[in-house]
Amino acid sequence: NAGVTQTPKFQVLKTGQSMTLQCAQDMNHNSMYWYRQDPGMGLRLIYYSASEGTTDKGEVPNGYNVSRLNKREFSLRLESAAPSQTSVYFCASIIMTGTSGLNEQFFGPGTRLTVL
Amino acid sequence: DAKTTQPNSMESNEEEPVHLPCNHSTISGTDYIHWYRQLPSQGPEYVIHGLTSNVNNRMASLAIAEDRKSSTLILHRATLRDAAVYYCILRLTYGGSQGNLIFGKGTKLSVKP
Repeated sequence: NAGVTQTPKFQVLKTGQSMTLQCAQDMNHNSMYWYRQDPGMGLRLIYYSASEGTTDKGEVPNGYNVSRLNKREFSLRLESAAPSQTSVYFCASIIMTGTSGLNEQFFGPGTRLTVL
Repeated sequence: DAKTTQPNSMESNEEEPVHLPCNHSTISGTDYIHWYRQLPSQGPEYVIHGLTSNVNNRMASLAIAEDRKSSTLILHRATLRDAAVYYCILRLTYGGSQGNLIFGKGTKLSVKP
């Protein structure tokens, strides 16, 4: 299993440009997440998808949109990039069950985005 | 969600045990205690979790205080590869939990050869 994969690994954008970050998991997980991590900080939730066909806002959703394309894939789109969106973006997935406090969340390797 | 408090940084010598503390005085009865770590330039990875009893796995041990208001992650013999940021996180078992992890700043562990 590849686990959680993310593309691209690195990206530089100019202010106002748009791009989509891709995430895929091959573990048949139902829930997927996008986090961002700023220097010296912990991760913060941007959006999540509890199951295929549903998406919800997290702590810091402004400036982003998401699409849960199918069970495997969850993409994050920046419509008009701003320097404040310079960060490392992590995708994660988990099986959510009635005892989900017991389940391990798996993370991708991250996308390092710089907006000039 | 209940909060956790961890020291900003700790140092250890290689091949010595490391005890990473975490305070969670507002923990509820249904909160599991999870530990994740983040190696440099990587995504976080699961280390261990527990509810009330002490837990062991191949990576570490988790000691939970009797009143559950604090816990300690124990690395029995630190290696250079254990240098990372360690996050102590409370997770609800079910009901109202959207499944995401709420990260603090964690403890940055440095391991000296």
